[in-house]
Amino acid sequence: SQQGEEDPQALSIQEGENATMNCSYKTSINNLQWYRQNSGRGLVHLILIRSNEREKHSGRLRVTLDTSKKSSSLLITASRAADTASYFCATAIFGNEKLTFGTGTRLTIIP
Amino acid sequence: SAVISQKPSRDICQRGTSLTIQCQVDSQVTMMFWYRQQPGQSLTLIATANQGSEATYESGFVIDKFPISRPNLTFSTLTVSNMSPEDSSIYLCSVDLGLAGGPEYNEQFFGPGTRLTVL
Repeated sequence: SQQGEEDPQALSIQEGENATMNCSYKTSINNLQWYRQNSGRGLVHLILIRSNEREKHSGRLRVTLDTSKKSSSLLITASRAADTASYFCATAIFGNEKLTFGTGTRLTIIP
Repeated sequence: SAVISQKPSRDICQRGTSLTIQCQVDSQVTMMFWYRQQPGQSLTLIATANQGSEATYESGFVIDKFPISRPNLTFSTLTVSNMSPEDSSIYLCSVDLGLAGGPEYNEQFFGPGTRLTVL
């Protein structure tokens, strides 16, 4: 079964607004990552947050991790049309190189 | 980072045939993975491609259906055998560049994917 469940499944916002998507998982993790996928192509790694971190920033991206609630959020600020894509969280457990992907959020930015 | 290419980028195949997908990396890597992404779904790990030994398959995937080769540290193939329409998916390879416990461990780089349609 999927490790991560994401919500919302789909999100449409106006360009310039902020987009927030959430990921919940079931077991203890070593780290959690966010990936972007444009139009069914390969995935692009966005950001990795470790289990001992609570917040991380990269450009317009802000990721939070709450290990007590087993959840993470990805915030994209000042959205652009080019941010239109599917976003997936992925988790890794300690001592294991494999990733388990969440269900994904399809983000549409309306110009 | 790594540059990963896949061939073919897409194909349309007949039921009962087989297709071999190639994955080429521009640097030597220890860990390579194969994923399947069914239409509108997330990624599911098929197997870890091990150099010099048999691939490690995830639950629900078997070697007879998805044979994998890994002849060296820069190349791998995945074959989808005896295909049916249910095999229509995007197949992606990925690599993990980091050493266990290192700062890049678990961060994976993906190829562009192979979009397979089975009629």
